[in-house]
Amino acid sequence: DVKVTQSSRYLVKRTGEKVFLECVQDMDHENMFWYRQDPGLGLRLIYFSYDVKMKEKGDIPEGYSVSREKKERFSLILESASTNQTSMYLCASNGGGSNQPQHFGDGTRLSIL
Amino acid sequence: KQEVTQIPAALSVPEGENLVLNCSFTDSAIYNLQWFRQDPGKGLTSLLLIQSSQREQTSGRLNASLDKSSGRSTLYIAASQPGDSATYLCAVEERVNTDKLIFGTGTRLQVFP
Repeated sequence: DVKVTQSSRYLVKRTGEKVFLECVQDMDHENMFWYRQDPGLGLRLIYFSYDVKMKEKGDIPEGYSVSREKKERFSLILESASTNQTSMYLCASNGGGSNQPQHFGDGTRLSIL
Repeated sequence: KQEVTQIPAALSVPEGENLVLNCSFTDSAIYNLQWFRQDPGKGLTSLLLIQSSQREQTSGRLNASLDKSSGRSTLYIAASQPGDSATYLCAVEERVNTDKLIFGTGTRLQVFP
């Protein structure tokens, strides 16, 4: 079974801090994704990556950056955390090729105080 | 811009009922449609993926249909059980193999004994 592991289930940080969210997958998947999930808004794509050192902006990239130095690891970075970034963050991955379902981690619930 | 809608937002049924969850999308030029399940505080689990050339997919008690021309998909759950209680999300992959998903906001299902 595919396993996508997010480093923290819950995280509390202060405004202005630099925050790192880590995601690791064990299935040698080419594609990795970061979403945030908010009540009433659903899941929205922040960034995704098709390969090592490659990144593409999703629908809401402002205030975020990403890093993919190794194939199995995709990091989301909040450069200077703000209260409107309080959310549930979900990482996903899937293999290259067509019609591959995405596999999700359990999420990180991030609170910015 | 593609929009995905799920109605109703919440549904409560007694155990044993057959039920239908609805998903509609505004742009019929999709690559595939996916159904996911999300348990409280958890990530998403892929249930079914219907390619744009297909009309339906089945897995156990679940059957998903796709009508691209009318912009609709349904998820049919037979003989519902309390363990089916969760939020069900549909998502469409836009255009050819971009892997970018547009999500609906989900239907929260409760099956009571």
